[in-house]
Formats: sequence, structure tokens, C-alpha cells
Amino acid sequence: SQELEQSPQSLIVQEGKNLTINCTSSKTLYGLYWYKQKYGEGLIFLMMLQKGGEEKSHEKITAKLDEKKQQSSLHITASQPSHAGIYLCGADNQGAQKLVFGQGTRLTINP
Amino acid sequence: SQTIHQWPATLVQPVGSPLSLECTVEGTSNPNLYWYRQAAGRGLQLLFYSVGIGQISSEVPQNLSASRPQDRQFILSSKKLLLSDSGFYLCAWSAGNEKLFFGSGTQLSVL
Repeated sequence: SQELEQSPQSLIVQEGKNLTINCTSSKTLYGLYWYKQKYGEGLIFLMMLQKGGEEKSHEKITAKLDEKKQQSSLHITASQPSHAGIYLCGADNQGAQKLVFGQGTRLTINP
Repeated sequence: SQTIHQWPATLVQPVGSPLSLECTVEGTSNPNLYWYRQAAGRGLQLLFYSVGIGQISSEVPQNLSASRPQDRQFILSSKKLLLSDSGFYLCAWSAGNEKLFFGSGTQLSVL
């Protein structure tokens, strides 16, 4: 079965600094999703990547999928307190959105 | 617009008691429905998946069961809760191969 490993598990950054979260798959990724979760709440969809080398951006968040389609990164530029939360990557290799998720990265932004 | 409702938000139950968590989706028809569990140290795990009324796929062996009595209603149940059933339960829906939309979750504590 596919496994996703996220790094780091937790991250504390100063407001205004840039940061990167990585997601590595044990198998080729055919659909990679990034979600954000506020503690004790549901997941909010951020971005979805499918093609090798693909890059998508939304506001100050950029997600990339490497050419080999086994690793994705999420980069936040000029972090803000609103970026705090848990970021999860999910892979859909079975179809029908039966996503397998990484363990998550807990992001804390210090003012 | 589509919305997903999940309740209750929190639940404290004794070991051996029954469980019923309900999830309903509005604004769409024939959604795919999902139950996920987020347990400490174990990430987000898919428990059940349904493509239609009465059609339930169990993804992992466990003490829980799911039912879909109506098109937009998904219920998670247990006859006798175990301590290991504690966790954060998330209901989600999707329209075919599109992204997942998550409910706000239920924090279940089995004591």
C-alpha cells in the first residue's frame, strides 16, 4: 500500500519568514492533494497536483510536484498567523478519492 | 451550494456503550461519502467509503460499521465502544473524482 511521509512533523517560524513542507511517497503519485486543518476542525482543500513538474499557487502558498511524481513540496512565502495549522498531503492512487494521507505537519507562526 | 453537516461535535462515551455519528450532505445528489478517523500518532485513516445507498466498503478491520440509509446520509455506528475507538472522526463527500469536502468533525473520547 502507498505511504506518504511528511517532513517536518512540526515547524515553528517567525511571522514574515518563508517555509517549506515536504511530502514523499513510497509509490508514484497520480493525484496529490494538499489540505489544511485548524486544530479540532475539518480539512480545507488547498491544491491538487497531477502532472510531473506541475506547480500551482494560491495567494502566498505554492505547491510543486517533482518530475518523477514521488515528492511534493508546499512553500509559504512571508508567513502570517493565518497560515498556522496542520498541513496534510493526500494521495489518490485507487481512484474515487479514497485518499491516503501523510501524518501532517503542524505549523506555528510566532508574531 | 453544497454543505456537509456532521454531529455531534464532541462526544464522551463509556467503554461498551453504543455509538451513532451522523453526517448529511446538502446541495448535491449521489455523492461519494467517506468516514475518516484521525487518531493521535496515526494520521488520517479512511474507514468507510460509499458510492450509493446501501453500498458500503470497509477499508480497515475494526469495531465500527457504517450505513447509508438515504442518498445524502451516512451513519457511523458501533454496538460496543472500545478505548481504541477514541479519535477525531471526519465525514467527507466528493462528486466522483473531484476533491474531498470535509465536515467539521466529531471528537470522540471513550473512557
